[in-house]
Parts: sequence; structure tokens; C-alpha cells
Amino acid sequence: SQQGEEDPQALSIQEGENATMNCSYKTSINNLQWYRQNSGRGLVHLILIRSNEREKHSGRLRVTLDTSKKSSSLLITASRAADTASYFCATDVEYGNKLVFGAGTILRVKS
Amino acid sequence: EAQVTQNPRYLITVTGKKLTVTCSQNMNHEYMSWYRQDPGLGLRQIYYSMNVEVTDKGDVPEGYKVSRKEKRNFPLILESPSPNQTSLYFCASSFIWEGLDNEQFFGPGTRLTVL
Repeated sequence: SQQGEEDPQALSIQEGENATMNCSYKTSINNLQWYRQNSGRGLVHLILIRSNEREKHSGRLRVTLDTSKKSSSLLITASRAADTASYFCATDVEYGNKLVFGAGTILRVKS
Repeated sequence: EAQVTQNPRYLITVTGKKLTVTCSQNMNHEYMSWYRQDPGLGLRQIYYSMNVEVTDKGDVPEGYKVSRKEKRNFPLILESPSPNQTSLYFCASSFIWEGLDNEQFFGPGTRLTVL
């Protein structure tokens, strides 16, 4: 089974609204990362939060991490049509040598 | 420009015909990895490499080979491709976590179809 699982699988909102995506994972981690993928293209790194951090901001992105619940959320504020993409969380597993990706959330922002 | 390049970007081939997908990075990253992406399954790791001459299996290594003779290159080899290897393939690289953020840089992808 996957280490990281995103919720919801798909999300459709109006431009200007906020979008929240959640990620749950199973084992201890060094850090958790969020990536974005436009249709059929390579993933682009958005933000990384370390296991000893609880919240991080980057522009319109806000990421939280709750290691006690093994969960993270990605908030995109004031969404734009250009935010339409798939979003993946990836966990850098403690004592592991790889990032483990979830199945992703498909975000559609309607203009 | 810092980047990961893959070639070819698109490939249609037939069952059993050996092929190689090249991957190269110019960021002096120790870590390189190959993933395949299939609908509903997210990214699954095929092989990874921690440094030159060091490679290891990921979650779905069957039917694939890799080599890491130089730090910048990490080719993916399909000795005898089969239709179930039809997929979108990504190469990625990063520094190795030891106080450095190990965000991965991805190539543009190779869409492979095996008939």
C-alpha cells in the first residue's frame, strides 16, 4: 500500500476560492514534500516541510504537518485557473533512500 | 540552466525490441531515480542510485535495468519490452538528505508505447 495518500482524489473550485488538499502517511519521515504536475509533464517541486516543522508558507501556498496524526495539508489561497494541475505529496521516509509518492489530487480551477 | 533531460520524449516500439531511455542531470546530484506513472497508481519507483556504481531496486524493478557509470547519467534499459511496460516514465535527481533539502528535480517524461 502507498505511504502517502491524498484526499480528495479530485477537487473542483471557482477561481478566487481556496483549495485544500490532505495527505496521510504511515511511517516516520524526515520531511514531506508537495509537487505539482501539469498534464503529462514532469513534476515540479512546490514546498518541503521538515519533520520538526509544523507550518510553512511560500507565496499562496501554506503547508501544515502533524506528525502525531501522520498527516499534512496543502492550502492554495486565492486560486487561479493556472493552478489547475495534479498535486502529489511525497514522503522522505526515515531510514529510507527514496521519496514515496501518493496517487495525487486533481485540482480544477474554473474561471 | 539546471535541468534533467530525458531522451527520447516519445517512443513507440514492438514487443521484445531492446531500448534505452537516457537521463542526464547537470546539478551534480548524487541521487537519481526512475519512476513510471500509470493512471490511478501515482508514481512508482523502478530503480534508484545513491551515487556512481551504486544502484538499487525500487518498487517495480521487474523487466528493467539501469547503470550509473557517471554521476550525471542514469539510463533505463528495457531488454525485452512488453505491452505492460507501456507507461509514462520520469527520471529525477536530488542531493542526498544529510542536512540538505532533497527536493527532486524531474525530467520532462518519456511516453513509451509497446505494441
